[in-house]
Amino acid sequence: SHVLTQPPSVSVAPGQTARITCGGNNIGSKSVHWYQQKPGQAPVLVVYDDSDRPSGIPERFSGSNSGNTATLTISRVEAGDEADYYCQVWDSSSDHPGWVFGGGTKLTVL
Amino acid sequence: QLQLQESGPGLVKPSETLSLTCTVSGGSISSNTYYWGWIRQPPGEGLEWIGSIYYSGSPYYNPSLKSRVTISVDTSKNQFSLKLSSVTAADTAVYYCARGGDSYYDAFDIWGQGTMVTVSS
Repeated sequence: SHVLTQPPSVSVAPGQTARITCGGNNIGSKSVHWYQQKPGQAPVLVVYDDSDRPSGIPERFSGSNSGNTATLTISRVEAGDEADYYCQVWDSSSDHPGWVFGGGTKLTVL
Repeated sequence: QLQLQESGPGLVKPSETLSLTCTVSGGSISSNTYYWGWIRQPPGEGLEWIGSIYYSGSPYYNPSLKSRVTISVDTSKNQFSLKLSSVTAADTAVYYCARGGDSYYDAFDIWGQGTMVTVSS
C-alpha cells in the first residue's frame, strides 16, 4: 500500500506561515486531500484535489503537490488553526487499492 | 444539508462482532453516485481507513482488516453499516462514517461526529 509520511509536529508563531508536508512515492501524480481535526471533533476537509478549498474554508489554507511531496500551507496562522492535519490519497498502486491517510501532523501555534 | 450519524454499541466484548450503522439524512444514499466510507481513530492515534462502498457496487476494504470487515448499504433505510468480527482491544477506537465522492480520487467531504467503541470484557 501507499505510505504517506508526515512530520509529527510543526510549530509556528501567530501571523507566520505554516507548511505541513506529506511525502509519498510519486505523490505528485495523485490527488491529495487535507483534513483538519481539532480535539474531540471529527475531521474537516480543508483542501481537496491538491489545492482546491471547500466552501467556507479561508483562503489562508492552500495546497500544492509535485514530485514526491504535497504541502499544505497555512498563511497568517491564527490560534484557532492549532489542530492535527492529515493528508489522504486514493492508492491504486497495489493489488489492494484503497484510501490511505498520512500519520498526521500536530500544528502548534506558539 | 446532508448529515451522517453513527450509531451502535459503545462496548463490545473481545472475540465478538462490532456492528455500527451510519444513517444519512438530508439526502438519499442512492440518489447520487457517491462512495460511503468508514474510518477509525484509536485513542491518541491517527486516522485509519476501514472500507468504502459504492451504493450499488462492491466494497473496498483495507487489506489489513479485510478478513474481518463487512460493509453494506440499505437503501430502504438510507443507511450503510459496518461489521468487524473477532474484535480485540486493538479495535478500540472512535469510528467515523463519511461521504466520499463519485470517484475513487475524491475526498471525504462530509463526516459523522464519530462514535467511541471500546473492546473490553
